[in-house]
Amino acid sequence: EPEVTQTPSHQVTQMGQEVILRCVPISNHLYFYWYRQILGQKVEFLVSFYNNEISEKSEIFDDQFSVERPDGSNFTLKIRSTKLEDSAMYFCASSGQGIDSPLHFGNGTRLTVT
Amino acid sequence: SQELEQSPQSLIVQEGKNLTINCTSSKTLYGLYWYKQKYGEGLIFLMMLQKGGEEKSHEKITAKLDEKKQQSSLHITASQPSHAGIYLCGAAWPGTASKLTFGTGTRLQVTL
Repeated sequence: EPEVTQTPSHQVTQMGQEVILRCVPISNHLYFYWYRQILGQKVEFLVSFYNNEISEKSEIFDDQFSVERPDGSNFTLKIRSTKLEDSAMYFCASSGQGIDSPLHFGNGTRLTVT
Repeated sequence: SQELEQSPQSLIVQEGKNLTINCTSSKTLYGLYWYKQKYGEGLIFLMMLQKGGEEKSHEKITAKLDEKKQQSSLHITASQPSHAGIYLCGAAWPGTASKLTFGTGTRLQVTL
């Protein structure tokens, strides 16, 4: 069964550094998402992406964050200058068209900012 | 603001027992999704409900959505150790259907 893959599985970075988290969504999906989960907290929506542009974003997704689909297969999340509070598990998801096409999630990237 | 509450927060059941997890929305839902998460892993899709009064089953798990489309329940019959994990409900509301908002999750432990 096709799946969403994320790399790396773990990333440790120093405060102030830029990080890029990578995702390969399911190939025939049209909608792409990033969520994050701070340890012990809820899974929170960051951004959704469709037709090469952001369709919706949360208040968490400020100017430090950006997303890109640089080619036909990858979907990336960039954090420009990481803060300690960016430490979390970041999940990529993709879905097809319509409400009855559920989001399929990757296994996540655990980001630790020191 | 749109809220999604899950209960209970955690549950310990003996193998073979039945259990129910509830998810309540502050507003009428467009769709309700149930996911399962194992520690340190991604979310696995279980079921999606859209119509009021809808009920779906997969193996020993049954999910229902009430007629008003504001409450859903997930019922596990004859629980097994493989059912252990965190169960999350995710809501899509009218006007924000391009994203899911998740509840706080219910941590399920199944003892032998």
